[in-house]
Amino acid sequence: IAGITQAPTSQILAAGRRMTLRCTQDMRHNAMYWYRQDLGLGLRLIHYSNTAGTTGKGEVPDGYSVSRANTDDFPLTLASAVPSQTSVYFCASSEGAGQYGYTFGSGTRLTVV
Amino acid sequence: GQNIDQPTEMTATEGAIVQINCTYQTSGFNGLFWYQQHAGEAPTFLSYNVLDGLEEKGRFSSFLSRSKGYSYLLLKELQMKDSASYLCAVTDSNYQLTWGAGTKLIIKP
Repeated sequence: IAGITQAPTSQILAAGRRMTLRCTQDMRHNAMYWYRQDLGLGLRLIHYSNTAGTTGKGEVPDGYSVSRANTDDFPLTLASAVPSQTSVYFCASSEGAGQYGYTFGSGTRLTVV
Repeated sequence: GQNIDQPTEMTATEGAIVQINCTYQTSGFNGLFWYQQHAGEAPTFLSYNVLDGLEEKGRFSSFLSRSKGYSYLLLKELQMKDSASYLCAVTDSNYQLTWGAGTKLIIKP
């Protein structure tokens, strides 16, 4: 089934630890995105990639890094997790520049303690 | 800057009609999306409006007025499975999406 796969589904992480959230899509979409969703705040863009080999910063990039070595994979890394990074993380992809809508992964629920 | 406003929560009765409003101010405009998100799940695409007017898709319709910076999502013949959050999102001149905080819709029997 075509779509986006995120892993892990959920994780409890000790503060200060490094963590990589995985995201893989099989739709050959050029653009990919990482969002965090917190209660009452809606979806906030962390980082994005318009095409393989390029990345850009979103609204809340601090404490996160991404890479886009190929079209399919777009991992998000927390170098040293802090409790404020407790959130639900969604990976998404779009055809073109996003004007056709986004397809979302099922999300990763991360708790930093 | 970008700003999107929608009500935090609405309640409606099964079988009835509900209208969820969204107002926005953005730098440039290239379309407005509505997404549905059930609790604990990912958002799923409902509609996309780029021109003024009403787009109908089954029980769901979406309206846009670009001059007023206003949209609404109309849900007819409400079913219990329509209980979800409804997210309004606007694309700016660079096709970057800005999301509203979402409207939680509660359907009562």
